Amino acid sequence: NAGVMQNPRHLVRRRGQEARLRCSPMKGHSHVYWYRQLPEEGLKFMVYLQKENIIDESGMPKERFSAEFPKEGPSILRIQQVVRGDSAAYFCASSPGQSGTNEKLFFGSGTQLSVL
Amino acid sequence: GNSVTQMEGPVTLSEEAFLTINCTYTATGYPSLFWYVQYPGEGLQLLLKATKADDKGSNKGFEATYRKETTSFHLEKGSVQVSDSAVYFCALGGYTGGFKTIFGAGTRLFVKA
Repeated sequence: NAGVMQNPRHLVRRRGQEARLRCSPMKGHSHVYWYRQLPEEGLKFMVYLQKENIIDESGMPKERFSAEFPKEGPSILRIQQVVRGDSAAYFCASSPGQSGTNEKLFFGSGTQLSVL
Repeated sequence: GNSVTQMEGPVTLSEEAFLTINCTYTATGYPSLFWYVQYPGEGLQLLLKATKADDKGSNKGFEATYRKETTSFHLEKGSVQVSDSAVYFCALGGYTGGFKTIFGAGTRLFVKA
């Protein structure tokens, strides 16, 4: 029973390039959350998606960042024209229901994005 | 809005010492409270949770009690081991402009043999 799968594990981009981060939730989970972790900081909520819908994107920067969770396939977090400040670990989590209830989150191992 | 504040680290203890990591929260309504643990190079894993006031969550010798009167959810363990070295995150699940889980900044724990 595979857990939350994120890839790639490490991603190196030069300034101005695009970064695409993928997340496959646990089987049977229809709720996906993306968080960003900067060095020595906590996790910052970015976006919450259900299949084909963005439910809450209040933590995601308005420019350059977008997320999707299509009917088929993984959830994608896309960062256009990356800058050095985008360097961070990006974690995806899934749950069978809304995490605002008593549902726990299942986390992937993260994607470490480094912008040169 | 909802928020979580936890004690700054790092915390360094000797093996078999008593551990307390403080966590307080601000929330409207009746949130659920969680402690997650992150080992090096990995994602977060749920350690324990409590869903209502006076509930005690416990797992692997760790425990925390949901105290509504002091808005706290302190993590404790009576005797830590080297393998407990990790980063511990206090978290709150509830409605804050949408249902999502809010995390504290994390507390790094080092346990020396």
